[in-house]
Amino acid sequence: ILNVEQSPQSLHVQEGDSTNFTCSFPSSNFYALHWYRWETAKSPEALFVMTLNGDEKKKGRISATLNTKEGYSYLYIKGSQPEDSATYLCAPYTGGFKTIFGAGTRLFVKA
Amino acid sequence: EAQVTQNPRYLITVTGKKLTVTCSQNMNHEYMSWYRQDPGLGLRQIYYSMNVEVTDKGDVPEGYKVSRKEKRNFPLILESPSPNQTSLYFCASSSGHTDYEQYFGPGTRLTVT
Repeated sequence: ILNVEQSPQSLHVQEGDSTNFTCSFPSSNFYALHWYRWETAKSPEALFVMTLNGDEKKKGRISATLNTKEGYSYLYIKGSQPEDSATYLCAPYTGGFKTIFGAGTRLFVKA
Repeated sequence: EAQVTQNPRYLITVTGKKLTVTCSQNMNHEYMSWYRQDPGLGLRQIYYSMNVEVTDKGDVPEGYKVSRKEKRNFPLILESPSPNQTSLYFCASSSGHTDYEQYFGPGTRLTVT
């Protein structure tokens, strides 16, 4: 079974703080990495799909980087807002057709 | 509007009573998948389908069946539900497997007593 680790499990920040969290995965047979944002009582929504080593993606205040050689991706949020409070999930694809999600990082942003 | 729909959204049932949760997408996606979400365990894949008549097991397929007779529909069948299948279920679809994001349905909260 693919070992996907996300850290930290949860994070409490103040409004305006910048923050980042990590998704680690086996680096062999890498195909792509997906990031999803999951707000309470809603469905997960895609943030980024990353495929190349060194990829950087940005959507508003949220950005992500990818290192396929060492098997990790960082998600950054600049100037966190209360509406950024959500669980952030990653799903690396390293061969096969299954989807394995990490357990997620739960972000709480206090106004 | 592009969307994934699931029905029912909420269901309370009893042990052993067969049920089906429907999933439909209007985006002509080839890849569809079912997940369950349990506290502390995140999203776990139950079954997936690469195309019509092509399905395979995810990580937690025991107690579930699926079928993919049409591209747009991917129902999840619980032949004999048990209390350990009480969970929040999500259906998702995407254009492909690795390079395309998944679009999730609204979720079905199932309680088996």
